[in-house]
Amino acid sequence: KNEVEQSPQNLTAQEGEFITINCSYSVGISALHWLQQHPGGGIVSLFMLSSGKKKHGRLIATINIQEKHSSLHITASHPRDSAVYICAVETGGNQFYFGTGTSLTVIP
Amino acid sequence: DAGVTQSPTHLIKTRGQHVTLRCSPISGHKSVSWYQQVLGQGPQFIFQYYEKEERGRGNFPDRFSARQFPNYSSELNVNALLLGDSALYLCASSRQGAGGYTFGSGTRLTVV
Repeated sequence: KNEVEQSPQNLTAQEGEFITINCSYSVGISALHWLQQHPGGGIVSLFMLSSGKKKHGRLIATINIQEKHSSLHITASHPRDSAVYICAVETGGNQFYFGTGTSLTVIP
Repeated sequence: DAGVTQSPTHLIKTRGQHVTLRCSPISGHKSVSWYQQVLGQGPQFIFQYYEKEERGRGNFPDRFSARQFPNYSSELNVNALLLGDSALYLCASSRQGAGGYTFGSGTRLTVV
């Protein structure tokens, strides 16, 4: 069993739709990261969370420590949001575990 | 301000060879982490270095090693390359190794 599970694996949405990507983890964490990876490999760090909720533009990330669950929401999705979104957790022992990613395609 | 730079961007090696990948962190960042991403999978954590000391190690064989230099740049070394080592190798830097990571664009290694 993977330490980090993401769902869905693939997601296709129409432009303007509200999108939710889920992440569940099974280890104790010091922080959770949401990453965005575009074709070609470059990774951008979107959020780092240890509790509560963070918002940046049209992106919102939430975390529930008790339920070991996090969600990434994209409001008013746009084709440029098409990418792979990866959830990663950081443990107190400086270990990192990554989800396998959610491939998002937003259709105009 | 330059981002995290990795070199080379692409590399082809033969089985059994050795490879060295390099990473320069953002100025002021003292922590560097290395990750391996096999095609179609999420990244896997390899090492984290902070202030030139190893702070974390993932589940990789001893063929993988790394070091961090006084200027905080880092090298990842892989010996006795296997076909399965073909992957995108990503480097990330942060100020203190506790979040706020910036990733480089990666080195794509192909082992033939």
